[in-house]
Amino acid sequence: EIVMTQSPATLSLSPGDRATLSCRASQSIGTTVAWYQQKPGQAPRLLIYGASTRATGIPARFSGSGSGTEFTLTISSLQSEDFAVYYCQQYNDWPPITFGQGTRLEIK
Amino acid sequence: QVTLRESGPALVKPTQTLTLTCTFSGFSLTTGGMSVTWVRQPPGKALEWLALIDWDDDKRYTTSLETRLTISKDTSKNQVVLTMTDMDPVDTATYYCARAYGVKSFDFWGRGTLVTVSS
Repeated sequence: EIVMTQSPATLSLSPGDRATLSCRASQSIGTTVAWYQQKPGQAPRLLIYGASTRATGIPARFSGSGSGTEFTLTISSLQSEDFAVYYCQQYNDWPPITFGQGTRLEIK
Repeated sequence: QVTLRESGPALVKPTQTLTLTCTFSGFSLTTGGMSVTWVRQPPGKALEWLALIDWDDDKRYTTSLETRLTISKDTSKNQVVLTMTDMDPVDTATYYCARAYGVKSFDFWGRGTLVTVSS
């Protein structure tokens, strides 16, 4: 089973800041990574797939990068609506499909 | 417009079998490359993938729960059903169904249904 490890667990930033969220896979998975945003009481929302392709309707301030075992989600300039929990997911070697434990992005 | 909606009991007793239904619209599970999956999330915890069914009826399960899970589809009703046997309080979670098309990232999700396991 591929383990996805996200860091940091919590990130405290201010609106307008740049956010960098990391995800590490326990073995090489190419670019088969997706990122999701989840707000309290809501379902996850797909942001990025294929490590770097934005899903339909996702603002350009969200970008993804990486390959192999190291992946990054960057939010270039935080808006108030971006404060949420973010999950990475791998779909290279499955079953099982696995998610990271999440990074909580909170207002500083 | 793609929508998915989960339905099922809000409360089940330990050892009972849970049956959840995902009713979807806006796409067909007969389309090549289409899949529907189930993901759960215990309160305050991370997402956990459970099972997936493909358009060609290929079925995959998470290894840790494989013996307890069954996923099936009824394309005439646009529904996917997940059953989980021998429910335990640790299975208390919000259960989501979601769609994948092509790659196994999930682009549309239902709102989720909270299932509590308690006697």
